Amino acid sequence: QQPVQSPQAVILREGEDAVINCSSSKALYSVHWYRQKHGEAPIFLMILLKGGEQKGHDKISASFNEKKQQSSLYLTASQLSYSGTYFCGTERGGNTGFQKLVFGTGTRLLVSP
Amino acid sequence: DTEVTQTPKHLVMGMTNKKSLKCEQHMGHRAMYWYKQKAKKPPELMFVYSYEKLSINESVPSRFSPECPNSSLLNLHLHALQPEDSALYLCASSQGQTQYFGPGTRLTVL
Repeated sequence: QQPVQSPQAVILREGEDAVINCSSSKALYSVHWYRQKHGEAPIFLMILLKGGEQKGHDKISASFNEKKQQSSLYLTASQLSYSGTYFCGTERGGNTGFQKLVFGTGTRLLVSP
Repeated sequence: DTEVTQTPKHLVMGMTNKKSLKCEQHMGHRAMYWYKQKAKKPPELMFVYSYEKLSINESVPSRFSPECPNSSLLNLHLHALQPEDSALYLCASSQGQTQYFGPGTRLTVL
């Protein structure tokens, strides 16, 4: 079953913060976050493995609550380049040499000047 | 170099045509994937190849036929498609935990 992301869409002014949530009804092994701009390839942002870790990359960070089967992506001091659609990709198994990702419903983010 | 290339960029075909999509990566990745993405929807996994062997087929209709001739190439052969098959077809590859996506082929079936 497809993970549900919230909010569906968000509009920010440059410099504002946002949180995108990804919620699964099934136990997860890992959560992968991607950003996709219109007509382009999804770009990998980060991966979180089960264990409840938190990761950060510049002004973008994420957390994974394994017990709640949820992950959140935190965007701080947003930049115009952050605009796009964000997808979480969830994986239930691991260590098979490849990932069977089920992508969430998506969150459209628009950052305006 | 983290590049996955896909050709063609756009493809228009009739329901009786036979065409192929091509995906190539030179990162030494041993897993390759085909996804289908409809407008404003997330990518949906179609096939996974691992070490050039088909590992996952997500119950995809037989009018889509994947092929992995070698570790760098992945093809998707199309035959007798339906208009509802119009979508963006994305290829990805991975080694370890990260999948890298190509720019996709936008397919229109008339």
